Amino acid sequence: SQQGEEDPQALSIQEGENATMNCSYKTSINNLQWYRQNSGRGLVHLILIRSNEREKHSGRLRVTLDTSKKSSSLLITASRAADTASYFCATDAGGAQKLVFGQGTRLTINP
Amino acid sequence: DTAVSQTPKYLVTQMGNDKSIKCEQNLGHDTMYWYKQDSKKFLKIMFSYNNKELIINETVPNRFSPKSPDKAHLNLHINSLELGDSAVYFCASRGEAAYEQYFGPGTRLTVT
Repeated sequence: SQQGEEDPQALSIQEGENATMNCSYKTSINNLQWYRQNSGRGLVHLILIRSNEREKHSGRLRVTLDTSKKSSSLLITASRAADTASYFCATDAGGAQKLVFGQGTRLTINP
Repeated sequence: DTAVSQTPKYLVTQMGNDKSIKCEQNLGHDTMYWYKQDSKKFLKIMFSYNNKELIINETVPNRFSPKSPDKAHLNLHINSLELGDSAVYFCASRGEAAYEQYFGPGTRLTVT
């Protein structure tokens, strides 16, 4: 069964605002990753957070992980039109070799 | 300098036909994957190869047969195509001792 679930499924905000997406998962993990998919393109890795980490930053991205709640959030600050994409969380719940993806959050940044 | 490439980008074919999708990565990675993304954007792993050896084979109809002639290539052959096979197929690769995967641009397969 599907491991990750993103919330919300769709998010539309104004350029310059912050965007927050959430991901929940069901089983124990060693790490969780976030990927971005622009329309008609492949997925691009954004950031990885390990199970012993609570927060991680990369540029305008901030990821948190709460293993007790089996949830993660991705915050994009000062959003830009180019951030318009679908965002997926993925866990290694299927084993070290296999990623299990959620269904994604479709983010639209309005200029 | 495309890292993971797939051909073709679009594939339109009729039910019952046999088709192949090719994938190549120039990252020197040992592990390659095939994923299927359905119309609801749900991405599910199909197969994984490590250094030409099949290591993951999810519950996929045996009409789908992957082939890895060398560790830089992973092809997907599909026999007797069905309407439900319509989807976007992504190839990906991963380096040893790394977790992040690198995805190709996808192949949109439409079966009519």
